[in-house]
Amino acid sequence: DAKTTQPPSMDCAEGRAANLPCNHSTISGNEYVYWYRQIHSQGPQYIIHGLKNNETNEMASLIITEDRKSSTLILPHATLRDTAVYYCIVQAGGTSYGKLTFGQGTILTVHP
Amino acid sequence: ETGVTQSPTHLIKTRGQQVTLRCSSQSGHNTVSWYQQALGQGPQFIFQYYREEENGRGNFPPRFSGLQFPNYSSELNVNALELDDSALYLCASSLRAPSEKLFFGSGTQLSVL
Repeated sequence: DAKTTQPPSMDCAEGRAANLPCNHSTISGNEYVYWYRQIHSQGPQYIIHGLKNNETNEMASLIITEDRKSSTLILPHATLRDTAVYYCIVQAGGTSYGKLTFGQGTILTVHP
Repeated sequence: ETGVTQSPTHLIKTRGQQVTLRCSSQSGHNTVSWYQQALGQGPQFIFQYYREEENGRGNFPPRFSGLQFPNYSSELNVNALELDDSALYLCASSLRAPSEKLFFGSGTQLSVL
């Protein structure tokens, strides 16, 4: 699976949009981009995933560049409860079942 | 709440002992994956079970083994515990698909003394 690069930490003011970048320049055509987050002392939580198109759900939006070499997770109105470690993961579809390769992630801190 | 439950939540063992951790899958899920998370690190994939058979394994020695039962619940067994096995052990259930979404439990915190 392709490797991802994320900034180690980011800050965001409560109520503002949080934009978390991820670089995956070696991504292959069958690899999906996943985002998970982990709040302290809890298991990781699935947020969103996509292959080529931008995706939106009740938690966040995922913007994937046209060349698929980078993506951005957008939390539209960050709250204090969004403070967590955010992991961007690239995984091949239909092969690496269940095997997510977690990096160090981005520590997002939401301030009042 | 993901519907994935793990037991026990905390466990203390001594070096050389054996331990069994348990996981109940979310309703409707047929696949269970296990992860180890050392302090300050991201989770590391141990293995996955699908249809009661191991289906994919990470870089862990054979003393890490598992089972999946007909109701899709699962156990992780670790023999001959070492100090470095101290970690948070996470279970995740999913429905097998080309793009799987994993739903994690809150984990079992294992301390090896």
